[in-house]
Amino acid sequence: DAGVIQSPRHEVTEMGQEVTLRCKPISGHDYLFWYRQTMMRGLELLIYFNNNVPIDDSGMPEDRFSAKMPNASFSTLKIQPSEPRDSAVYFCASSLGQGLYFGPGTRLTVT
Amino acid sequence: SQQGEEDPQALSIQEGENATMNCSYKTSINNLQWYRQNSGRGLVHLILIRSNEREKHSGRLRVTLDTSKKSSSLLITASRAADTASYFCATVTGGGNKLTFGTGTQLKVEL
Repeated sequence: DAGVIQSPRHEVTEMGQEVTLRCKPISGHDYLFWYRQTMMRGLELLIYFNNNVPIDDSGMPEDRFSAKMPNASFSTLKIQPSEPRDSAVYFCASSLGQGLYFGPGTRLTVT
Repeated sequence: SQQGEEDPQALSIQEGENATMNCSYKTSINNLQWYRQNSGRGLVHLILIRSNEREKHSGRLRVTLDTSKKSSSLLITASRAADTASYFCATVTGGGNKLTFGTGTQLKVEL
């Protein structure tokens, strides 16, 4: 298996622009997680899905952030409009319930 | 908010020595997991210990869990330069699969 796939790997955008991050989980995994990592705040759970249904989105910072999982093999995290404080590495991870498999992350820079 | 706090924040040892990292958490857990993160990469799952277990081994890794003290330790024996990475503990609490990460320990193994 190719592991968790994320795209793009790097994204540089200007403040106010819409950003869409994409994730393909490992086939057969029924959990999908979105995390954000910064030096100041460490690893923060934004949202997680089980069988494509959002279970806990309490970590989503504000209404500018939204996440979808239209099917078992694809998820998106959208930021609209983006702000400089959104700059971070965004990780997607999938799981069968025992241990997470992380993707390589998307490094987002908002100028 | 961070559930786990790792100690020390940074650790530097010589190759061949043992490395011990500690994790303290605040609320009752279902299980506790340890992850490794190499610079610029996603996290890699190392080991999971359930709340009713006290010790687990995996290769050169030994994990202990003391639920009365709400703490866990990760021991890496006979360390190698390739073990240089950040190590995170993460806890699962409640009825879901929400994984909350600690602040991490940066381990440097020198030749």
